[in-house]
Amino acid sequence: DAGVTQSPTHLIKTRGQQVTLRCSPKSGHDTVSWYQQALGQGPQFIFQYYEEEERQRGNFPDRFSGHQFPNYSSELNVNALLLGDSALYLCASSVGQYNSPLHFGNGTRLTVT
Amino acid sequence: GESVGLHLPTLSVQEGDNSIINCAYSNSASDYFIWYKQESGKGPQFIIDIRSNMDKRQGQRVTVLLNKTVKHLSLQIAATQPGDSAVYFCAENNPTGGFKTIFGAGTRLFVKA
Repeated sequence: DAGVTQSPTHLIKTRGQQVTLRCSPKSGHDTVSWYQQALGQGPQFIFQYYEEEERQRGNFPDRFSGHQFPNYSSELNVNALLLGDSALYLCASSVGQYNSPLHFGNGTRLTVT
Repeated sequence: GESVGLHLPTLSVQEGDNSIINCAYSNSASDYFIWYKQESGKGPQFIIDIRSNMDKRQGQRVTVLLNKTVKHLSLQIAATQPGDSAVYFCAENNPTGGFKTIFGAGTRLFVKA
């Protein structure tokens, strides 16, 4: 049973560029959350998708957008990249109801130069 | 405000000893708490969770204690092993905050052989 898979594992982009990160949730999970983790810090909530809609959003600018597909997979898009967007981007899946644990992928390491 | 904090950023223990990692949370409305383990280069891994109607829950070699009176959470690891070396995060859900899980900054556990 595959867990959460993310692609790519590493990515290097230039300031101003756009990036798309991809996530496939754990089998049986219908909810996908995205987190940003800076070095030495805890994950920060970006947004959550359920039933192909953004259900909740954290304190991130509109440059961060996402999508969930009918098969529950998800994409995170970041436009107009800034140096400060360099981080580990984590995707987590869970079952739709409140209060179920998150299952994380190993993340995409994004470096903006 | 929203915050899940930790008392100690690092903890060093001898192999075979018990480890205790502490966490303070600020929102008394939080009703679900989770501990995650993150090894280098990997995403956070679910360890154990506890709901607010409980004050103790045990897993394999791990125990989580919840003290709602002082808003304190702890993770106890019995007979700590080198493979336990990682960063540990406590996280919380609260119904007033919606569906997101809020993470603390983490505690790094070093296990000395």
